[in-house]
Amino acid sequence: AQSVTQPDIHITVSEGASLELRCNYSYGATPYLFWYVQSPGQGLQLLLKYFSGDTLVQGIKGFEAEFKRSQSSFNLRKPSVHWSDAAEYFCAVGPNAGNNRKLIWGLGTSLGVNP
Amino acid sequence: DTGVSQDPRHKITKRGQNVTFRCDPISEHNRLYWYRQTLGQGPEFLTYFQNEAQLEKSRLLSDRFSAERPKGSFSTLEIQRTEQGDSAMYLCASSWGGEPQHFGDGTRLSIL
Repeated sequence: AQSVTQPDIHITVSEGASLELRCNYSYGATPYLFWYVQSPGQGLQLLLKYFSGDTLVQGIKGFEAEFKRSQSSFNLRKPSVHWSDAAEYFCAVGPNAGNNRKLIWGLGTSLGVNP
Repeated sequence: DTGVSQDPRHKITKRGQNVTFRCDPISEHNRLYWYRQTLGQGPEFLTYFQNEAQLEKSRLLSDRFSAERPKGSFSTLEIQRTEQGDSAMYLCASSWGGEPQHFGDGTRLSIL
């Protein structure tokens, strides 16, 4: 079965601390992997994606993620968190070929940032 | 690039009423997706259009739900005889080919 697991429902970090949000997936084919961020009442903004090539990908707002095929993981990291990073973070997986690129989503991780 | 636009942002209606939502994708995008998101959950796929053709519908999309994309531009999602369980955020996304999907801000539906 295809699925995405984000083990941490909620994480709180102090401003300036480093951050790692976990994502594990189960997918039959080679996946296309994404991290999106959602602020309250808003839509989803793409942070970064992995399709192929270098397994460490850089995104917007200082985020990066590393694809580890052996662990079926795609964890999101940021070296120094800012208060404005408080939001809901979603990991998603989709096919890297074909017409319908529908995404399968994790339940999200809510990030709180202490001043 | 004006982004994906959804209207209305909020809709409150009584149970049993019909509602219609509109999505205007990014103009050159040929693919359009509808997702539904309930509180504390990730989005769930509802349906997908390539140009004007609706190519896939989720089992979540009961016969009370219908979506259209006339002329391959904007799309509408209609829910007939709304039920309490339809309360959710309805998200629209568009993309060009296999590129990442761009999302609108969603329509939040509340059923009284």
